[in-house]
Parts: sequence; C-alpha cells; structure tokens
Amino acid sequence: QVQLVESGGGLVRPGGSLRLSCAASGFTFSDHYMIWIRQAPGKGLEWVSYISSSGSAIYYADSVKDRFTISRDNAKNSLYLQMNSLRAEDTAVYYCARAAVGKNYFDSWGQGTLVTVSS
Amino acid sequence: EIVMTQSPATLSVSPGERATLSCRASQSVSSDLAWYQQKPGQAPRLLIYGASTRATGIPARFSGSGSGTEFTLTISSLQSEDFAVYYCQQYNIWPVDFGPGTKVDIK
Repeated sequence: QVQLVESGGGLVRPGGSLRLSCAASGFTFSDHYMIWIRQAPGKGLEWVSYISSSGSAIYYADSVKDRFTISRDNAKNSLYLQMNSLRAEDTAVYYCARAAVGKNYFDSWGQGTLVTVSS
Repeated sequence: EIVMTQSPATLSVSPGERATLSCRASQSVSSDLAWYQQKPGQAPRLLIYGASTRATGIPARFSGSGSGTEFTLTISSLQSEDFAVYYCQQYNIWPVDFGPGTKVDIK
C-alpha cells in the first residue's frame, strides 16, 4: 500500500537549518507531483512547497521563499525539504503528501514530522 | 489567490444525527474541491474530490455536493469516529488553498 514516512524534524534554534526527508513506497513515485504542507500548533493547513514529478517545476509559498529548497530523488523514491534561516513561525508539523495524477488534491499523506524553532 | 471560508467553525452534533458543513470559495473553482478529515494527532485524510466523489474506502455516509463557489459536506449519521476537523481545499487555480476547518464535536 501507499506509504509516506517523514523524518528529520526536531528542535532547532532561530537561524538554524534542518533537512526533512520523506520516503515513499507502494506506488510509482516518479509519476506523482509531491508537496510539503505544514500545520502550526492548533492551526490549519498551509502548503509550503510543491515539486513536479520530474523535479523540473517547483513552487514555494511566499512565507518560505528564498529560505527553503524542495528536491526529490526518483531513483531513491524520496522527497526532501532543506530549511534554512528558520524562524519561530516555522514551528509546525510538516507533512509530505502525494498529489493525485493530473490533479492538485492530495490522496496520501505521511504521518508528519515536528519542527520546533526555539532558543 | 482564492480565499476559502468554512462554516460553522464548530458544529456540535449528537451521534446518529446528520451534519452539514459548508465551504465557500471567493471565486469559482468549478468542481475542483476536495474535503479532508483530520483527527487529533493524525495526518489529514482525503474524503472527497471533484466536489462529490468519495475517495477509496470512504463510507457512503459521507457525501459532497456543490460547484462554483458553494460546497457542502454532509455526514448522514454521525459515528463516534467521525468527530474530527474537516478541511476543504480548492485545486482549480494555483496556488491551492485550504479552508480554516470545521470542528465537529460531540453534543
């Protein structure tokens, strides 16, 4: 079955960096656009970054542009999010999710990884 | 950017009753509307896409309707496992946008 497993979250000081990973299995990873979505404590869902199936098209929310970098390795069935210059407002659970083929709704989600930015 | 709103913010319902949740888009999104369910401590789960198509494994008591700017998620007879937060999401125009959610709790 489809499985997405995030890792790499943790506690980091403001200005620090983290790299999140999402390991995918149970489907043809290279067929799907992928997205990182985050949820601050007690808040709603916010898309962070989106990458096409080949990695040729990439989008960022304004709130993370120039600080975060999304990438993927289709040979390793993995999605990544490099997060630099982290701020307190980046504190959230980060989910990776799979976009349905040809559509921008998300039919499978990982369990999430918590990123806490605090001094 | 399309703004999604949901009402009510909280809906108190007794088990076995019907629940009706609303979602509104600031401009037409055609039928490109999805609904997700999120339980505490869990990731969201896709319930409905295309405004009215149930995702795989979703019980028939969940139904979606609407098009354009007005959408409804109906849970025909609430079960204990249905108490959760429900989000709508438009995917007609990039960037995608989520609504703020409706919490369905026990009356």
